[in-house]
Amino acid sequence: DVKVTQSSRYLVKRTGEKVFLECVQDMDHENMFWYRQDPGLGLRLIYFSYDVKMKEKGDIPEGYSVSREKKERFSLILESASTNQTSMYLCASSRWTSGSNREQYFGPGTRLTVT
Amino acid sequence: GENVEQHPSTLSVQEGDSAVIKCTYSDSASNYFPWYKQELGKRPQLIIDIRSNVGEKKDQRIAVTLNKTAKHFSLHITETQPEDSAVYFCAASGPLTGSARQLTFGSGTQLTVLP
Repeated sequence: DVKVTQSSRYLVKRTGEKVFLECVQDMDHENMFWYRQDPGLGLRLIYFSYDVKMKEKGDIPEGYSVSREKKERFSLILESASTNQTSMYLCASSRWTSGSNREQYFGPGTRLTVT
Repeated sequence: GENVEQHPSTLSVQEGDSAVIKCTYSDSASNYFPWYKQELGKRPQLIIDIRSNVGEKKDQRIAVTLNKTAKHFSLHITETQPEDSAVYFCAASGPLTGSARQLTFGSGTQLTVLP
């Protein structure tokens, strides 16, 4: 059973703080993703990674950075948190495959509030 | 990049009736179209997907249709039940080459099945 875990379910931070969100998957997946989920906007891709130390910008990378030092772990970093980064953050992973299974497996989410 | 539009944003149906959710996409090179279901407080989970070489796919009470010419695809749920109440997201993904492993999600549809 695929398991994707995130370091916190709820997080409250102050404006200007540096924030780390961590994601771990146990299925040896090559691809890992960070999304933010806001009402009426769906899931928007922040960054993704298809290999260790590799990263690519998604649709909304501004204000965020990522780190992937190990295959199973993908971290999202808010260098200086702002109130407009208050959101639900979802991590996901998937296997790289040329075949039929491209399913993304999601973590439980971290609800971040920046005050 | 890819743009996915999803309608309606909310949908209420009586138990036993059918529900249809529609999505359009912009990139004619997209070839994989999954649907995810997110129950309240839970993580999104894949419920069905379709590839561009297939026009329709069914799995029990759910089906997805794809019209490549018009660049739209739809989710059909028949004989709806209260447990179908959730937010549904459509998504589109390009070919598995280079960095094109990400999904672009629609904005979501809140489906409510009334008893």
